[in-house]
Amino acid sequence: GENVEQHPSTLSVQEGDSAVIKCTYSDSASNYFPWYKQELGKGPQLIIDIRSNVGEKKDQRIAVTLNKTAKHFSLHITETQPEDSAVYFCAAINFGNEKLTFGTGTRLTIIP
Amino acid sequence: GAGVSQSPSNKVTEKGKDVELRCDPISGHTALYWYRQSLGQGLEFLIYFQGNSAPDKSGLPSDRFSAERTGGSVSTLTIQRTQQEDSAVYLCASSLNRGQNGYTFGSGTRLTVV
Repeated sequence: GENVEQHPSTLSVQEGDSAVIKCTYSDSASNYFPWYKQELGKGPQLIIDIRSNVGEKKDQRIAVTLNKTAKHFSLHITETQPEDSAVYFCAAINFGNEKLTFGTGTRLTIIP
Repeated sequence: GAGVSQSPSNKVTEKGKDVELRCDPISGHTALYWYRQSLGQGLEFLIYFQGNSAPDKSGLPSDRFSAERTGGSVSTLTIQRTQQEDSAVYLCASSLNRGQNGYTFGSGTRLTVV
């Protein structure tokens, strides 16, 4: 089955700087890669996703890149703000499977 | 509804008692998932429903855990004879197309076994 590794487990960045979270996956057939943000006391929320036919996708200050050859994908947050502080989860799925496999999460702290 | 609704939001129960956790998925979402999240930990898969059937129950930790879904909508997760190690946040999610467009999560039920 699929295995998703996520790094780092914790990340602190100065407000205004960029943050990068990286994930690797094991199943070369995986073709959909969402990212979730979980704030304290809430369920994870989808913030951006990418499919395997695309190398990069951007939505305002958030971008995701995918390297299918290396089987890794990354979340990039630019001009970080205090409200970006949360736990971020990456995930992957192969269309032949029936559930997402999640990474172990990254706790991002933005230092004012 | 507009989102995934879970109830109760918080539940405190005595060790040995049974509890039922409810999930109302987004209308029209055929797939429904239960996850467990212990304090500061990741997402532990429990069970997945497609319609009313459960093709994947592989994550249920013991036979004290069971779940059902009726009418292709509401799901109930039941934990019998609760133990302290069952204390966690139980998250429900629903999706179209078996997760190929991502999941929508509820806010979870925080279960505390005392």
